[in-house]
Amino acid sequence: EDQVTQSPEALRLQEGESSSLNCSYTVSGLRGLFWYRQDPGKGPEFLFTLYSAGEEKEKERLKATLTKKESFLHITAPKPEDSATYLCAVQAAGRRALTFGSGTRLQVQP
Amino acid sequence: DARVTQTPRDKVTEMGQEVTMRCQPILGHNTVFWYRQTMMQGLELLAYFRNRAPLDDSGMPKDRFSAEMPDATLATLKIQPSEPRDSAVYFCASGLFPGGLAGPRGTDTQYFGPGTRLTVL
Repeated sequence: EDQVTQSPEALRLQEGESSSLNCSYTVSGLRGLFWYRQDPGKGPEFLFTLYSAGEEKEKERLKATLTKKESFLHITAPKPEDSATYLCAVQAAGRRALTFGSGTRLQVQP
Repeated sequence: DARVTQTPRDKVTEMGQEVTMRCQPILGHNTVFWYRQTMMQGLELLAYFRNRAPLDDSGMPKDRFSAEMPDATLATLKIQPSEPRDSAVYFCASGLFPGGLAGPRGTDTQYFGPGTRLTVL
């Protein structure tokens, strides 16, 4: 059974204070690892897909990396507008559906 | 700006009543997913369709839930009868998935709608 574990559950940062979110996974053959951002009362918003260990993707202050067992979402010099829940999900080879982690709630204080 | 739309956005009903949620996938997307989100369980897959055919509904309580896709622009999720434990946010997502599972990388992104918040009293 595919499993995704995210840590920490919640993270409070000061504006400009860089940090990383962790996503550990076990999957029977990884097709892709996805990161989404979810704001309160809204649906998840796609950020990145990573396919191979060693791959990195960047978007503004966010950088996602992937190893064979985990992925990190690095947030550099965050701003209050980066406050959201960040969800990690895996897609197993041979499947279309995603298995999600429980998310990390990020709060960035000015 | 292509988006997945869902109606209604909020639904409050009483136990035993029928609930129907609707989803309009992004035009041209051939795969539609239904997920449910709760504080306890997070996001869980209920069912999904490809080219309007159901492929997987193993996450759905079949005695009370049913999912259909009457045409390429409409997917429905029905609960009959509803129970308080069905209270959750229900999300629809759609994706292109050209070539099925062997499609090129970057083509299997799922785009989510805004969700339907269901409260069963």
